[in-house]
Amino acid sequence: TQLLEQSPQFLSIQEGENLTVYCNSSSVFSSLQWYRQEPGEGPVLLVTVVTGGEVKKLKRLTFQFGDARKDSSLHITAAQPGDTGLYLCAGGAGGTSYGKLTFGQGTILTVHP
Amino acid sequence: NAGVMQNPRHLVRRRGQEARLRCSPMKGHSHVYWYRQLPEEGLKFMVYLQKENIIDESGMPKERFSAEFPKEGPSILRIQQVVRGDSAAYFCASSPGLHNEQFFGPGTRLTVL
Repeated sequence: TQLLEQSPQFLSIQEGENLTVYCNSSSVFSSLQWYRQEPGEGPVLLVTVVTGGEVKKLKRLTFQFGDARKDSSLHITAAQPGDTGLYLCAGGAGGTSYGKLTFGQGTILTVHP
Repeated sequence: NAGVMQNPRHLVRRRGQEARLRCSPMKGHSHVYWYRQLPEEGLKFMVYLQKENIIDESGMPKERFSAEFPKEGPSILRIQQVVRGDSAAYFCASSPGLHNEQFFGPGTRLTVL
């Protein structure tokens, strides 16, 4: 069974601070997605990384896939109150389990003005 | 271009009744995935379907749960004889192909009284 451990579980910071969320596993994933979920809504895809060592930037958000494709990180620069939400990482297994995403427990981010 | 649609958004059932959850994938998407989000838990994969075929049902409970994706019409997740432990948010996602990103619907919140 593949597991993704996400940390921290909760993060409360002031506007303007930087933060990093981690997603770790002992298993190799063929791809890693990051989603953001608002209360009462479904997850919204932010980015997909597929190559070991890959780095993608989305405005103030930087996503990295580990060289061994077992871990990933999400870094937010100069956080804003609008960044508040639940952030989820999800790994795609590949092979016969290709359609199945394994999700981390999520990080609840609160950015105070 | 409409996103993934799910209905109903909220469903209340009494113990022993049946629940039917519907999912219409994005236009052009032929792959559908169902996930369940229990209170205080992360998203868990349930089943992956293509038109008229179940590809991977490794996350489906062995009893009372079934899913279909007919040639015409939406995908249906059916829960027979619901119990309180079935109360959760059920999300559907779709993708155009097996190796593509999954896009999520807004979810159906099932409450079993």
